Amino acid sequence: NAGVTQTPKFQVLKTGQSMTLQCAQDMNHEYMSWYRQDPGMGLRLIHYSVGAGITDQGEVPNGYNVSRSTTEDFPLRLLSAAPSQTSVYFCASSYNTAPNTEAFFGQGTRLTVV
Amino acid sequence: GQQLNQSPQSMFIQEGEDVSMNCTSSSIFNTWLWYKQDPGEGPVLLIALYKAGELTSNGRLTAQFGITRKDSFLNISASIPSDVGIYFCAGQLDGAGTASKLTFGTGTRLQVTL
Repeated sequence: NAGVTQTPKFQVLKTGQSMTLQCAQDMNHEYMSWYRQDPGMGLRLIHYSVGAGITDQGEVPNGYNVSRSTTEDFPLRLLSAAPSQTSVYFCASSYNTAPNTEAFFGQGTRLTVV
Repeated sequence: GQQLNQSPQSMFIQEGEDVSMNCTSSSIFNTWLWYKQDPGEGPVLLIALYKAGELTSNGRLTAQFGITRKDSFLNISASIPSDVGIYFCAGQLDGAGTASKLTFGTGTRLQVTL
């Protein structure tokens, strides 16, 4: 069972470079979301999607873009990386059906911007 | 955005001891979730709470949804070495138990000594 798969696991970027963090899930979940985790802080929501073709901003969306062309994939794009975007990024997915919808997280992508 | 205050920030306990941690919010949530994160991994859901006053157990774990909907606690009984990790509370306002728009606490780092 693959669950939520994130690639790459580690990445080093130079300031100003762009890249895409990949997230794929094979559980047919409607909801997908991206969080970043910084030392001493909980996970903070960047962007989320309630289904294919629909995305919305979370708490810290600046500097990131997302798209949801398929149910399975939810890539996160950094257009011009900045050192402040050094963080660990987690993708999560869940069903849309109340009341019990467990959120499954990927293993994370550790990004360093120098 | 909303802030979740989680305490304690860290704790060292001996194997066999009981552990208690809590989470408070300045605003209400409709769902409280407790996650555990192991090093290099994404968070894994431990317990989900959907009703104010609800008390739920999962093995040695017990969690309660505060009656005011602004707080929750997690207890771990008879701790064992594999309980080591970071425990996060998370509140969710929209719907029930979806991955979107989770607000996380800052985490409690638990270390268990033999």
